[in-house]
Order: sequence, then structure tokens, then C-alpha cells
Amino acid sequence: GAGVSQSPRYKVAKRGQDVALRCDPISGHVSLFWYQQALGQGPEFLTYFQNEAQLDKSGLPSDRFFAERPEGSVSTLKIQRTQQEDSAVYLCASSSTGTLQETQYFGPGTRLLVL
Amino acid sequence: AQSVAQPEDQVNVAEGNPLTVKCTYSVSGNPYLFWYVQYPNRGLQFLLKYITGDNLVKGSYGFEAEFNKSQTSFHLKKPSALVSDSALYFCAVRAGQTGANNLFFGTGTRLTVIP
Repeated sequence: GAGVSQSPRYKVAKRGQDVALRCDPISGHVSLFWYQQALGQGPEFLTYFQNEAQLDKSGLPSDRFFAERPEGSVSTLKIQRTQQEDSAVYLCASSSTGTLQETQYFGPGTRLLVL
Repeated sequence: AQSVAQPEDQVNVAEGNPLTVKCTYSVSGNPYLFWYVQYPNRGLQFLLKYITGDNLVKGSYGFEAEFNKSQTSFHLKKPSALVSDSALYFCAVRAGQTGANNLFFGTGTRLTVIP
């Protein structure tokens, strides 16, 4: 079956621009996660949804970062007024019901470069 | 607090030799441990996980990992390395039962299998 998909795969933005990154989770998966992976580092948690409810946004680095999942499926991560330090790969993951034992399945990521 | 350490940034091994990628963790309570592999320009692919039960866990592509509670380790192993195993490997942990739903990742270990 189809895995997690993300678009765009690559995004170049000028500093100060707003960007929107899309995630399509595996069909029927209840839980959705966003992670940020800086160059040479492991992924770091940004935010977590259970259906349309954003249950944890403790990892969002600033109020410029905003995520939504209005219908409990597709999610969008929006970054306002992008800064150079926002350059990273943004990974989306989904899991079936969100229990702690479950495997998270990752998409290919969106590589964001802020100039 | 939860954390993962991957003490080796780089591991080189000859094709056909056994390989080990090391991981140690720190977590309150029982850990749930995961290994993922990342190929260039691709997302994280799940290899295996430890939730409970047998300390030796078998996963995809001939990989296995041994959970050692006393040493708080979860090293990834494979009896005979292939050139195609060359990739970036991430260990991740989640605190069981009461932990946050997100994964905490190590900084990754780059495995190079030399023909």
C-alpha cells in the first residue's frame, strides 16, 4: 500500500517568506507526527496530532511554526517569516492508533533551504 | 528526560564481516526502542523494535538487536554485512507506559561496508 507522502520534496525560500509543507499519512492512520532534521543530526520532535487534535506542540521552536490537520488526515506545517536557521529536512510520520508500542512510518521528507 | 547516545559517528566494516552499531539510552521506566535506517534523500525506514519479551529482536534485511537492560544498550547487529547496507542508522527511544508519544533519536551512525 501507499506509504507516507510529503510535498514538495524540495523548497527554496528567501528569508522572510512563508512556506507550507504538506504531509499525507498512511490511509486510516490516526496519529501524525512532524520532526525536524538538521544537517548531521537526528530528527527532533515538533508536534503530534491524534486525528484532528493537536495533542503536543512542545517541540515547535517558535510561534512562527504552525501545524494543522483539520480533517484528521492530511497535515500542513507552516513556517512564517522563514529564517536561515529553519533550513532543515522536515519529516512527517504516521502510526495506526498512536499507542506507545506502535511503529511510526516516515515519509521521504521536505528539504527546506532558506537563503 | 529521555535520551539516546550513538557513540560512533562512523562505522566501517568489510563486506561479509559481522557488523555492530552501538546505541545506549536513558529513560524513566521501561523503554521502547527502535532502529531506523536512512538512505540518501529518503526518509527513515523502520528496521526493528523492542517492546517487551525476548531480549534479541529480529528485524528486516537480516538485522537484529539485543536489548540489555543492565547496560541500557540496544546494539544493532548483522552477521554478514552487504555493500547495500551502507547507510545512516538511527536509534530511537520512547518511554513506555507514561512517556511522551514522540520518539527521541540519537545523532546517527554512518555505516560503510567496504567491498
